[in-house]
Amino acid sequence: DVKVTQSSRYLVKRTGEKVFLECVQDMDHENMFWYRQDPGLGLRLIYFSYDVKMKEKGDIPEGYSVSREKKERFSLILESASTNQTSMYLCASSLMDRAGDTQYFGPGTRLTVL
Amino acid sequence: QKEVEQDPGPLSVPEGAIVSLNCTYSNSAFQYFMWYRQYSRKGPELLMYTYSSGNKEDGRFTAQVDKSSKYISLFIRDSQPSDSATYLCAMRYGGATNKLIFGTGTLLAVQP
Repeated sequence: DVKVTQSSRYLVKRTGEKVFLECVQDMDHENMFWYRQDPGLGLRLIYFSYDVKMKEKGDIPEGYSVSREKKERFSLILESASTNQTSMYLCASSLMDRAGDTQYFGPGTRLTVL
Repeated sequence: QKEVEQDPGPLSVPEGAIVSLNCTYSNSAFQYFMWYRQYSRKGPELLMYTYSSGNKEDGRFTAQVDKSSKYISLFIRDSQPSDSATYLCAMRYGGATNKLIFGTGTLLAVQP
């Protein structure tokens, strides 16, 4: 069974803290993605990675960085958390470019920045 | 203008009703169309996908794509309270990228 796990379901951090969100998939997928989900705005892509050590910016990369040292793990880093980064963060993974293949999502991390 | 438009709802229907959920899009290059279901406090899960125009049926669910009108629909027959969730449409281009463009989601409530 497909499995994407995220390190925390709920996280509360203070402004200025460095925050790490971890995502692990056990499906040997090449692609991994980080989204944030906000009411009225839907899912917005922050970064994605199509291979180990490879990354590409999504639509809203400002204030975030990512790390992919192993195929199964993709980390999202908030270098200096701000209140406008309070959101639901979703990780997803997929196989590389196969028609009909799609993204499998983790349960999400609800991050609150105070 | 957003690439993908979706009515946020909420949409409330009685149990057993036929539900119609819709998205419009502006980019004719989209080739793959998907519907995700997201229960409260969970990640989205794939419900249906279609390639190009046409219909696809899976049990009580039918996905419909009209590329000429840039319009996609999801129909739910005999809706159940367990169908209560947010439904997200998503689209992708053909080619090497697996990047998806999502609608904002429609919140559906099926009343028993």
